[in-house]
Amino acid sequence: GEQVEQRPPHLSVREGDSAVIICTYTDPNSYYFFWYKQEPGAGLQLLMKVFSSTEINEGQGFTVLLNKKDKQLSLNLTAAHPGDSAVYFCAVTSSSSFSKLVFGQGTSLSVVP
Amino acid sequence: VTLLEQNPRWRLVPRGQAVNLRCILKNSQYPWMSWYQQDLQKQLQWLFTLRSPGDKEVKSLPGADYLATRVTDTELRLQVANMSQGRTLYCTCSVTLGGLDTGQLYFGEGSKLTVL
Repeated sequence: GEQVEQRPPHLSVREGDSAVIICTYTDPNSYYFFWYKQEPGAGLQLLMKVFSSTEINEGQGFTVLLNKKDKQLSLNLTAAHPGDSAVYFCAVTSSSSFSKLVFGQGTSLSVVP
Repeated sequence: VTLLEQNPRWRLVPRGQAVNLRCILKNSQYPWMSWYQQDLQKQLQWLFTLRSPGDKEVKSLPGADYLATRVTDTELRLQVANMSQGRTLYCTCSVTLGGLDTGQLYFGEGSKLTVL
């Protein structure tokens, strides 16, 4: 079945620096790709959903890149601020089971003032 | 506005006892509701997706046994049993927004279970 590897597990950056998280997946039939943010004690918050190889800048301080050729998904937080400190998860779903998300292991991001 | 209400949010579970979790969909109706588990290392794993009232599924994973029930169009339940002693587990409910093929899930805030 699908496997998703997420790196790094922990990331600490200074305020104003960028932070990059990368996920690699295995199933070529993967269809939708997601980034979620989880703050302590809170549920998963959807940051972005993508399904085509494209670079998207949502204007909220991050960029998502999907490279289907290399089966890689990345999240780049530009100019990180302390409010970005959280655990970030990538997730992948296939066209055979849209409700079943396969998650990466998570990245604990700490943004230091 | 919270779309999903989970209760209890936290429960201490005596060893050998089962616990029942509820997930209520508020002010809307979407057919596809799911349970995910999250361990202390934050790893999330899909457990079940149920669509219709009366649907039930069981699953055994290392560390716990699960029984999921779609009670009504707006309520999903999860019974967690045979949890390993000393284990802490989070169970999170989700709902698929729009049609199944949107793949877009909204997650609840989760229930934390700790076995004494």
